[in-house]
Amino acid sequence: KAGVTQTPRYLIKTRGQQVTLSCSPISGHRSVSWYQQTPGQGLQFLFEYFSETQRNKGNFPGRFSGRQFSNSRSEMNVSTLELGDSALYLCASRVGLGSSYEQYFGPGTRLTVT
Amino acid sequence: GQQLNQSPQSMFIQEGEDVSMNCTSSSIFNTWLWYKQDPGEGPVLLIALYKAGELTSNGRLTAQFGITRKDSFLNISASIPSDVGIYFCAGQDSGAGSYQLTFGKGTKLSVIP
Repeated sequence: KAGVTQTPRYLIKTRGQQVTLSCSPISGHRSVSWYQQTPGQGLQFLFEYFSETQRNKGNFPGRFSGRQFSNSRSEMNVSTLELGDSALYLCASRVGLGSSYEQYFGPGTRLTVT
Repeated sequence: GQQLNQSPQSMFIQEGEDVSMNCTSSSIFNTWLWYKQDPGEGPVLLIALYKAGELTSNGRLTAQFGITRKDSFLNISASIPSDVGIYFCAGQDSGAGSYQLTFGKGTKLSVIP
């Protein structure tokens, strides 16, 4: 079974631009969460989607948004990029049903804002 | 908000030695997960713990869910060079209706051959 895939793997953007990152969960997984990883703050929760609905959101400004499609694929968008948005953005998928809480991560998208 | 204190921050050990790292929380979690991350990659799930007091093994790795539900530890026995990486603990409080993970800052493990 294929793992979580994220595209693109690397991205360089300029301040003020916007960016869209994509995540395809493990087949059969219906929940997708996004995390930001930086050397200073570590891994921080952005938001979680299940069945196309945002279930929870972390403490990030409204410039960070996301959505989930009917096939469980998810995208996150960051508008008006700032230098501090440079980070590794990780997507994690979970079955989303029953008592399975295990989350499986993709390889991440490395975003550099210049 | 919830905070996880993970220690030690880094470790240098000789190949063949055992390793121990732990996480403590300011609040209760009902799930603990341990991950390993290699450079340039996403975290890989090593062990999941669901019950207070639970002791679970995965090969040379053993992890325990603390009785108080506020701590967990991970042991690696007979370390080998491929154990090098950053190990993260993560707590999950699904009782709050969310499955977000709260992560520790990580333990960077270096193994000297």
